[in-house]
Amino acid sequence: GNSVTQMEGPVTLSEEAFLTINCTYTATGYPSLFWYVQYPGEGLQLLLKATKADDKGSNKGFEATYRKETTSFHLEKGSVQVSDSAVYFCALSDLGSARQLTFGSGTQLTVLP
Amino acid sequence: GAVVSQHPSRVICKSGTSVKIECRSLDFQATTMFWYRQFPKQSLMLMATSNEGSKATYEQGVEKDKFLINHASLTLSTLTVTSAHPEDSSFYICSARDPGLTDTQYFGPGTRLTVL
Repeated sequence: GNSVTQMEGPVTLSEEAFLTINCTYTATGYPSLFWYVQYPGEGLQLLLKATKADDKGSNKGFEATYRKETTSFHLEKGSVQVSDSAVYFCALSDLGSARQLTFGSGTQLTVLP
Repeated sequence: GAVVSQHPSRVICKSGTSVKIECRSLDFQATTMFWYRQFPKQSLMLMATSNEGSKATYEQGVEKDKFLINHASLTLSTLTVTSAHPEDSSFYICSARDPGLTDTQYFGPGTRLTVL
């Protein structure tokens, strides 16, 4: 079956530091890959996505590249801000699973001023 | 981006009562909606897939008689927690899949249910 393995948290960084949150996946078909962000007390917001190999998703300074050879979709940001503090979820969607989302466990990011 | 709303955002009820949560897609028609449950500091657990005009598909271990799902229109799905108990207290989140962008689900803001 499908699965997503995400870097364990929590992650604490200083403002303007470089961020990487690792994500690898296992899928039976050709999945689409997503990063969602959840701020305290809120639902999930789509941060970025990539639908095929070598695609790069980007939004708000965050980037992730769909790497089929390493089955990875690592999230990066060059300079984090305090407002980036949230929980980040990596997820995949596969036609074989009727497009249901399979989520990673989530990574709590705290950015200190 | 697409907007999905949930109502209510918070609800407190007594044990034994039923609670209905609404999920609406505001600017697109969603043939498929999903209901998730999230425990504190944990990931989302898919409860069921709600298909407009047909019965919901429940995940293993989710009681269909306890968590009633109705998807009567292309913009509205409801989750009713029947005979709620304290262990049903949780954060319930819905999502809707935009048929124009079949790989993208948009999430509602969630409903915090507390059963006393």
